[in-house]
Amino acid sequence: AQSVTQPDIHITVSEGASLELRCNYSYGATPYLFWYVQSPGQGLQLLLKYFSGDTLVQGIKGFEAEFKRSQSSFNLRKPSVHWSDAAEYFCAVGASFGNEKLTFGTGTRLTIIP
Amino acid sequence: DTAVSQTPKYLVTQMGNDKSIKCEQNLGHDTMYWYKQDSKKFLKIMFSYNNKELIINETVPNRFSPKSPDKAHLNLHINSLELGDSAVYFCASSLTSGGSYEQYFGPGTRLTVT
Repeated sequence: AQSVTQPDIHITVSEGASLELRCNYSYGATPYLFWYVQSPGQGLQLLLKYFSGDTLVQGIKGFEAEFKRSQSSFNLRKPSVHWSDAAEYFCAVGASFGNEKLTFGTGTRLTIIP
Repeated sequence: DTAVSQTPKYLVTQMGNDKSIKCEQNLGHDTMYWYKQDSKKFLKIMFSYNNKELIINETVPNRFSPKSPDKAHLNLHINSLELGDSAVYFCASSLTSGGSYEQYFGPGTRLTVT
């Protein structure tokens, strides 16, 4: 069965600082990987996805993530965070069949300090 | 022109009541999902429908009954509501027939059972 681990429950960074959110997955084949963001009281917005090909993927809002098969990781990065990036971030893995469920990590809450 | 919409946004009801949540997507997707997000923000799949056919039914009490009248709609009916049903319920959709598989989420329905 697939699983996702987000080891950091809560991260605080200063505005303008760089950010890296960690995600490790467990899946027997090549996974489909996603990062979603959830602002307070809102739904989930897709930031980026990895299906195949280039292991460094670019997303919206200046985010990027790198797929490392050897480490079973898909960490999310941003070179300079903005106060509006404060939110909950979820990593998810999907089976490579397409219409399968997404298995989510427990989320990382990002706080931005001025 | 909302992509995935849910009604109602908030639902407050008493134990033992029966309630429904509706979901509609205008993306032309062929697969729709219901997820439950608990008070700790953990997201878990409940059901998935592909072309109106149930394909995922996780371990969910049979008080929960999904219905998909057509590809664009997926409703969730809950009988005999319990305190533990209080959560945010998210509908999502994806295009899995030759599509890109990412799931688009609705804004959520916050259900409070008193």
